[in-house]
Amino acid sequence: GNSVTQMEGPVTLSEEAFLTINCTYTATGYPSLFWYVQYPGEGLQLLLKATKADDKGSNKGFEATYRKETTSFHLEKGSVQVSDSAVYFCALTPSGGYQKVTFGIGTKLQVIP
Amino acid sequence: DAGVIQSPRHEVTEMGQEVTLRCKPISGHNSLFWYRQTMMRGLELLIYFNNNVPIDDSGMPEDRFSAKMPNASFSTLKIQPSEPRDSAVYFCASSPAGQGTEKLFFGSGTQLSVL
Repeated sequence: GNSVTQMEGPVTLSEEAFLTINCTYTATGYPSLFWYVQYPGEGLQLLLKATKADDKGSNKGFEATYRKETTSFHLEKGSVQVSDSAVYFCALTPSGGYQKVTFGIGTKLQVIP
Repeated sequence: DAGVIQSPRHEVTEMGQEVTLRCKPISGHNSLFWYRQTMMRGLELLIYFNNNVPIDDSGMPEDRFSAKMPNASFSTLKIQPSEPRDSAVYFCASSPAGQGTEKLFFGSGTQLSVL
């Protein structure tokens, strides 16, 4: 079946540090890949997505590239802010048909001033 | 648009009681999902509706759980009888068209505590 593996947190960084959160996946065909973010006390919201190999999704300074050869979709940001503190989820949906989203376990990011 | 609306935000109940969680999806969205979030298991899909019809309920833990979608603007998740291990945050999410490239829109969740 489909699965998503992401690094366990928590990840603690100083403000303006570089962020990488690793995500790898297992799926047949060409799934769509997503990063969702969850702020405290809220539901998940889409951060960025990529729907085919070599696509780069980007939003709010975050970016991730769909790497078919390494089955990866790592999240990066060049300079994190305190307001980026949240839980980040990598996710996929299979190609075609029913949109059953498979989520990773989530990685908690804490940015300290 | 008001987004996906869930109620209540918090529910505290005693073991054995019936619990009903409610969800109003975004107007025009024809896919609706119920998720459960715990520290141990992360986000688990409980059930998926498309055009008000349950398509995949393989994630419903057991017969104590049931979900309905009587119309396009309302869904309920019921637990009867509730148990302490049901304590979690329950999220409802909706999506247009149900295609794999579309994002999910999540509600703010219901924090359920079963004592």
